[in-house]
Amino acid sequence: EAGVAQSPRYKIIEKRQSVAFWCNPISGHATLYWYQQILGQGPKLLIQFQNNGVVDDSQLPKDRFSAERLKGVDSTLKIQPAKLEDSAVYLCASSFIRQPTYEQYFGPGTRLTVT
Amino acid sequence: DQQVKQNSPSLSVQEGRISILNCDYTNSMFDYFLWYKKYPAEGPTFLISISSIKDKNEDGRFTVFLNKSAKHLSLHIVPSQPGDSAVYFCAASDIPPYGGSQGNLIFGKGTKLSVKP
Repeated sequence: EAGVAQSPRYKIIEKRQSVAFWCNPISGHATLYWYQQILGQGPKLLIQFQNNGVVDDSQLPKDRFSAERLKGVDSTLKIQPAKLEDSAVYLCASSFIRQPTYEQYFGPGTRLTVT
Repeated sequence: DQQVKQNSPSLSVQEGRISILNCDYTNSMFDYFLWYKKYPAEGPTFLISISSIKDKNEDGRFTVFLNKSAKHLSLHIVPSQPGDSAVYFCAASDIPPYGGSQGNLIFGKGTKLSVKP
């Protein structure tokens, strides 16, 4: 079974530039999550989708971050304009709607460096 | 305010001995707890979980203990192996894993485990 795919793996941009990340979840997983992991911290949820609807985006900085999951499968996360403090690893995860162990499956992440 | 705390940034143990990783939480509404393992340049992978109705869950060399009154859980790895060297994250959720809505996971900062041969 293929895992969660993310691209690019690494990205370096200057502040005030724009960047987009892509995620393809595991086939059949209706729920998709985007996390931000700053160095030395645990992952922090940015947004959760169920199919193509947003379940929770309370921690998404909506003035600069946006995300979409148009067809209920893959998703993109965009930052515009980027700030230095956005430097982090952006993780995508997916899960079944009813997961007995509440397990989320994570992709390898995209490491963003903002200079 | 951190709701899930892993107060030991790092832990070093000898191969074959027991590794004990600790986690404390503050939110009494948390109902489900998970441990994830993360290798460098990879995403976290699920290791083991426990519901608040249990006090222990075992899976091979990995056992998670939950003390609800103390709001504390621990992960025991016995025996420890060099391949267990990774960062271990404790995570908690306040929504049970059933029903129509997936709750959110709150992660601790992680503990880096080094198992020396």
